[in-house]
Parts: sequence; structure tokens; C-alpha cells
Amino acid sequence: DQQVKQNSPSLSVQEGRISILNCDYTNSMFDYFLWYKKYPAEGPTFLISISSIKDKNEDGRFTVFLNKSAKHLSLHIVPSQPGDSAVYFCAASRIYGGATNKLIFGTGTLLAVQP
Amino acid sequence: SQTIHQWPATLVQPVGSPLSLECTVEGTSNPNLYWYRQAAGRGLQLLFYSVGIGQISSEVPQNLSASRPQDRQFILSSKKLLLSDSGFYLCAWSSRRVTDTQYFGPGTRLTVL
Repeated sequence: DQQVKQNSPSLSVQEGRISILNCDYTNSMFDYFLWYKKYPAEGPTFLISISSIKDKNEDGRFTVFLNKSAKHLSLHIVPSQPGDSAVYFCAASRIYGGATNKLIFGTGTLLAVQP
Repeated sequence: SQTIHQWPATLVQPVGSPLSLECTVEGTSNPNLYWYRQAAGRGLQLLFYSVGIGQISSEVPQNLSASRPQDRQFILSSKKLLLSDSGFYLCAWSSRRVTDTQYFGPGTRLTVL
């Protein structure tokens, strides 16, 4: 049972345009969400996170939006750069109520930014 | 600053052979430690996590085991590898605060033939 889903396995965007990566989750108990970026043969690196008490968090070119009613979050990258080309993983956890910070990851979306 | 190491970087092993992957963290104390696996075309699956020495929680019943003999050392083992154990194994650490980010090591590419 895939609790975190990234339905688009790949996305191609022109340099300078906006990249929008989507993620859906099924477990309404999740209250903390993260995006990681991964290059081939390397470990994922943390990009940005959002708590369920917010609906938006911004860090430079990266913005994460959370729609709790739809159980959906998205990562916007503006403007997209060729160096952003990587696999992006969405992750969710339940951090309140005594839970640990175990992350449930989606299957990833390969972003290709074309020069 | 904190650093996480994994070795070996790549490993090719025959079916039925044992496995030992090591992960160490520098620059922090009492970290939470995690083992993940990324199988081909799949997401990251949490295998084990540890909140302290000798404390291991298993997320998925399987052919693997984990141990934490020291505060900043996490070991992934198997007595007999299966073909399905092939994948990219990642170790991660985080502080004890639940909102803290998990930081990943460089990973080990395991191929079982």
C-alpha cells in the first residue's frame, strides 16, 4: 500500500520556466512533509519541508504548497535551472502524538531541465 | 559539521553469501539512525531505524538485520543474500527532535548475482 504517491515518473521543463512536482498521500495522520533531491549514485539531499499547520513554505527558488483537504502537496521551482535536473522525492511523516520521525517516501519524479 | 559515511560504495555478491554494510556518523551524538533501500524503479523504503545503542526497530520483515554496536555506527547484515536484495542502500541520521531533517549518506550499490 503506497501511502505517498508521485504519479508522474518524469517531467521535462525548459530552463527559466516553472517546474511543478506533485505528490499525493493517503494517510490523514501525516503532519510533516519534505522534499528531497537525488542525483544518480548519491544520497538524497534535503530541499524543503512543511508542517501541516501551514499551507505554504518558501525558500529561494523553491516553494512547497500543502492542500490538506485534498491530501496533496506540490513543489514549485522558479526559475528552473539545468542543475535542478535530478530525481525529486516527496516524503511524509507523523511527528506529533509521540511518533518518531520515520519518513514514508514516494517513488520519485525525474526532472529534466532543458537548456 | 556532521558527516555520514557508508562503505563500500559498490558491492557485487553471489546469491547465498553474507553481507555487511557499515555506516558511521561524525560530528553529532545520540543520533537516530536509519537504513533505507531503493530498488530499481522504486522509492525509498525504510528498512530499520535505531534510537540508541542496541535499539533496532524493523519496518519490513525480510532477509536482512541491523545492529548498532556504538552510538554512531549502524550495520546492515545478511547471512544469505537473495537476488531480491539487490538495490541501493542508504543510511541516514537525524537528531532526536522529530521535526529534524534526515541526512543521507552516499549509499552502497549492491548487486546480487
